Amino acid sequence: AQSVAQPEDQVNVAEGNPLTVKCTYSVSGNPYLFWYVQYPNRGLQFLLKYITGDNLVKGSYGFEAEFNKSQTSFHLKKPSALVSDSALYFCAVRDMRYGGSQGNLIFGKGTKLSVKP
Amino acid sequence: DGGITQSPKYLFRKEGQNVTLSCEQNLNHDAMYWYRQDPGQGLRLIYYSQIVNDFQKGDIAEGYSVSREKKESFPLTVTSAQKNPTAFYLCASSYRGQGGTDTQYFGPGTRLTVL
Repeated sequence: AQSVAQPEDQVNVAEGNPLTVKCTYSVSGNPYLFWYVQYPNRGLQFLLKYITGDNLVKGSYGFEAEFNKSQTSFHLKKPSALVSDSALYFCAVRDMRYGGSQGNLIFGKGTKLSVKP
Repeated sequence: DGGITQSPKYLFRKEGQNVTLSCEQNLNHDAMYWYRQDPGQGLRLIYYSQIVNDFQKGDIAEGYSVSREKKESFPLTVTSAQKNPTAFYLCASSYRGQGGTDTQYFGPGTRLTVL
């Protein structure tokens, strides 16, 4: 079965420190992976995606993610956290049934990032 | 959130009532999606539509209905058959095709509460 796991419900980081939000996936074939961020009572904002090519993907607001095929992971990272990065982060993988043509996403349960001053 | 609007922002429903949530996009996207978000459960797919006049059930379609009469619009009706409708509902859209590489963009959401 296809799935996405975010093993940490919450990640706490001090401002200025590097942050990592973890994501692992299980999908048939080559994965298409996405990260979104959600602020309270708002919709999801797209951060970045991995489709193919360089394993290190750079996205919005200084975030990047590293695709690791052997570990089936796609961890989100940022070198220096800001208080304003505090939000709920979702990892998603394209549902590859029917070859992915239907475009559906399978989401993880989310990780709450808290950045303290 | 730009380009996708959802209304209303907050909606209250009495038990036994049907309610309709609006989703409109001006991004010229072919595909549209409805998700339900509950605390600690991530997002779950309710319905999706790849083209006008066609839609498919997602993982939790029971108690919901949709229509896709126009490319720009994909309204969701929460019927009285949905036993636990209190949730945050998110609409998304994307271009279609490209083998599933297209990005989904989300609206601001509607929070539905059953009284």
